Amino acid sequence: NAGVTQTPKFQVLKTGQSMTLQCAQDMNHEYMSWYRQDPGMGLRLIHYSVGAGITDQGEVPNGYNVSRSTTEDFPLRLLSAAPSQTSVYFCASSHQHQNEQFFGPGTRLTVL
Amino acid sequence: RKEVEQDPGPFNVPEGATVAFNCTYSNSASQSFFWYRQDCRKEPKLLMSVYSSGNEDGRFTAQLNRASQYISLLIRDSKLSDSATYLCVALGYGQNFVFGPGTRLSVLP
Repeated sequence: NAGVTQTPKFQVLKTGQSMTLQCAQDMNHEYMSWYRQDPGMGLRLIHYSVGAGITDQGEVPNGYNVSRSTTEDFPLRLLSAAPSQTSVYFCASSHQHQNEQFFGPGTRLTVL
Repeated sequence: RKEVEQDPGPFNVPEGATVAFNCTYSNSASQSFFWYRQDCRKEPKLLMSVYSSGNEDGRFTAQLNRASQYISLLIRDSKLSDSATYLCVALGYGQNFVFGPGTRLSVLP
């Protein structure tokens, strides 16, 4: 099993550009989530999904969209990148909502 | 007040030392607790769950104090490889994971 995979590992964007961060898991997990991690702030939840076709907002959803068309994939879209979105983004999955979460290796995003 | 708070450290300890971290949570309805470990520039990985009666895994012991709303992690006989940031997590039923900001540990030779 590959576990949770994320692409790309690094990305540099200009302000106003859009892009999609990819996340996939092969563990047949129902719950998937996106976090951003900034120095001194810890991990903050952006969006999450409890199953295919179901998504919901987390703590910091503004500027991001998600969709969950399959159990395996949970892409995160930045609509119009801003310097405040410079961060490390982690995708995570778990069997159910309250279980241990497994994290992907992260995407380091810089917005100029 | 943040939902989950931790002393950011860094905690600098010599090899072989015993070190303890505390983590306080504000939501009294929190039911599940975890400790995660995060190495520099890597993803968080589960270290251990925290059970009401306390639990031990080798050199690591986790405790829960519901009355005072904190969880603790004790590391005995510290190794160089224990150097990392330790994140605590609390969640209530039907809620999402809430991570603390992490405590950085450096074990020195």
